[in-house]
Amino acid sequence: DSGVTQTPKHLITATGQRVTLRCSPRSGDLSVYWYQQSLDQGLQFLIQYYNGEERAKGNILERFSAQQFPDLHSELNLSSLELGDSALYFCASSVDGGVADTQYFGPGTRLTVL
Amino acid sequence: GENVEQHPSTLSVQEGDSAVIKCTYSDSASNYFPWYKQELGKGPQLIIDIRSNVGEKKDQRIAVTLNKTAKHFSLHITETQPEDSAVYFCAASINVWGGGADGLTFGKGTHLIIQP
Repeated sequence: DSGVTQTPKHLITATGQRVTLRCSPRSGDLSVYWYQQSLDQGLQFLIQYYNGEERAKGNILERFSAQQFPDLHSELNLSSLELGDSALYFCASSVDGGVADTQYFGPGTRLTVL
Repeated sequence: GENVEQHPSTLSVQEGDSAVIKCTYSDSASNYFPWYKQELGKGPQLIIDIRSNVGEKKDQRIAVTLNKTAKHFSLHITETQPEDSAVYFCAASINVWGGGADGLTFGKGTHLIIQP
C-alpha cells in the first residue's frame, strides 16, 4: 500500500459525459501527479500540482483539467468524453517534486466510456 | 521532449536465473531514473531508482546500472522467483531542485514471466 488513495475504483459512463476522479496524496506529500495508462499509449504524464499550484503539464487534452485543493487532495476532471478516453488513470504523490523526490502511485481509477 | 525506449517487451526466464531489462533515453538533461513493477490490477510500485551522479545501485536481488554517456540504464534481477512475474517499467525525469519537476516519461514496459 503506497498511502495514495484514489476514488472511485471503476467508472462507467457514456460518450459526451463529464466525470471527476479524486486523489488523496500520502500524508505530508505536497506534490500530486496524474497519469493515463492505455494499451496503445502506455503510461503518459498528464499534469502535476505542487501545494495547490500547477507546476508541469504533459500530454493533457484541453477537455481535461485538474486542481489541487488546500487540503492537498486533487481532482481530475474529464469532459466531453470519447471512447478513446477509456483508460486507467493514476495519481502519484511526492514530497515536493524536487531533486530527491520519488513518486508513489495510487491504485488507479479504471474509466470505461461506452 | 524525452523519449524512453525499453527492451524486450516480453522476457521469459527460468526460476532462479537472472533477468535483464534495458532502456535508452534521448534527453541528456534527464537525471533521475526509477523502475516500477506493476502487477495486474494494481498501480506501479517503485522497486529501485538511480540518480545521474551514481553509476550503479543495488538492493538485495535487484540492481540498476546507468551509463550517462551512452544514455542507457538497465535493471538486473538475480535469483528470480515466481513473485517477480509482473510488468516492469523504466522511466526518466528531469528533477530540478527548487524548480518545476517534470513528470516521468515511461518506457512501454516489459512483461517478465518466471517459469517454474
